Amino acid sequence: DSGVTQTPKHLITATGQRVTLRCSPRSGDLSVYWYQQSLDQGLQFLIQYYNGEERAKGNILERFSAQQFPDLHSELNLSSLELGDSALYFCASSVPREGANTGELFFGEGSRLTVL
Amino acid sequence: SQQGEEDPQALSIQEGENATMNCSYKTSINNLQWYRQNSGRGLVHLILIRSNEREKHSGRLRVTLDTSKKSSSLLITASRAADTASYFCATDIIQGAQKLVFGQGTRLTINP
Repeated sequence: DSGVTQTPKHLITATGQRVTLRCSPRSGDLSVYWYQQSLDQGLQFLIQYYNGEERAKGNILERFSAQQFPDLHSELNLSSLELGDSALYFCASSVPREGANTGELFFGEGSRLTVL
Repeated sequence: SQQGEEDPQALSIQEGENATMNCSYKTSINNLQWYRQNSGRGLVHLILIRSNEREKHSGRLRVTLDTSKKSSSLLITASRAADTASYFCATDIIQGAQKLVFGQGTRLTINP
């Protein structure tokens, strides 16, 4: 058990819909990362938050948005869903180390999204 | 495009043999990390090697890093059936928006 909790574990929805994925980081971790894993694209970095503020942005679509709340949990919102959004969405957390360097990430078990 | 690329994409060996996986990357890094993923599960951190280190050991794992060639290797010695998983390298790049970039992974199968 990594200490990172993601809900829901599975989600099935239709095209055009909107879903929210939730992540609770390990106790004490300030950074939260979101990744998308699909068969053809591998593990793609979406976005990172540190202590409530956006810190780094990757290949995140405009239809997707995220935020980190004062209690450090994070939510990833996916809207106007398309078939191609079907994937495993992972949240990871870490404690920053050595200034800006990225240390070990602790991953949740993921939320499997199926868009029909 | 992906920063890291693993080679081979898939590897199948007999239990007890050693498994070697390679990772190449494109830009300068702070560190390189290896992760393991059992099918459909979350990734688990295995080992981190800093850019100023050349080799690191952890149990049956040995990682090397050659920054001049922008490459790393992960060696698993005396493999076990339980080592069957996908293995990913991830780079903490010095510049750019993406802080930890993962490769496509190597699918390792250990045959009993």
